[in-house]
Amino acid sequence: AQSVTQPDIHITVSEGASLELRCNYSYGATPYLFWYVQSPGQGLQLLLKYFSGDTLVQGIKGFEAEFKRSQSSFNLRKPSVHWSDAAEYFCALGGSGNTGKLIFGQGTTLQVKP
Amino acid sequence: NAGVTQTPKFRILKIGQSMTLQCTQDMNHNYMYWYRQDPGMGLKLIYYSVGAGITDKGEVPNGYNVSRSTTEDFPLRLELAAPSQTSVYFCASRRLAGGGSTDTQYFGPGTRLTVL
Repeated sequence: AQSVTQPDIHITVSEGASLELRCNYSYGATPYLFWYVQSPGQGLQLLLKYFSGDTLVQGIKGFEAEFKRSQSSFNLRKPSVHWSDAAEYFCALGGSGNTGKLIFGQGTTLQVKP
Repeated sequence: NAGVTQTPKFRILKIGQSMTLQCTQDMNHNYMYWYRQDPGMGLKLIYYSVGAGITDKGEVPNGYNVSRSTTEDFPLRLELAAPSQTSVYFCASRRLAGGGSTDTQYFGPGTRLTVL
């Protein structure tokens, strides 16, 4: 069965510190993987996506993610967190079919300490 | 270019009432989706549409209905509201991209629904 797991419900980091948010997926074929960010009271905004090719993907706002097939992971990273990064982050899995349906993880809430 | 718009932003319903959540996109996207978001549960797909006149069930369709008479609009109907439908509802759209290039879903700002 297809699934996405984000093991960390809440993460707190200090401003300026590095960040890594974990995402593990279960899928029998080549996955399409996405990271979305949701600020309080807002919709979801795409940070980055992986379809194929280079396993290190660059996104907006200084985020990057690395696809590791052997570990079924797609972890999101940022070298230096800003207070404005406080939000909820969702990892999502899409299949190769044309319907574009996404399966979302439970989300990780990021708190940034000054 | 407004993207994906949803109305209303907030709504309180009594048990058994009905309502329609509106979703409109102005990007000429073929695909549209309705999700619900519950705390700690991520987003779950309710219904989706691959084009005007074509809809299909997602993961959690019970208690909802949809229609897609135009490319732009994809309303979600709750016929007999129940407390279990208290949630935040997001509409999204996606264009049909050739060659597997981009597959991004664009989300609206959401509708927060409370059923009492």
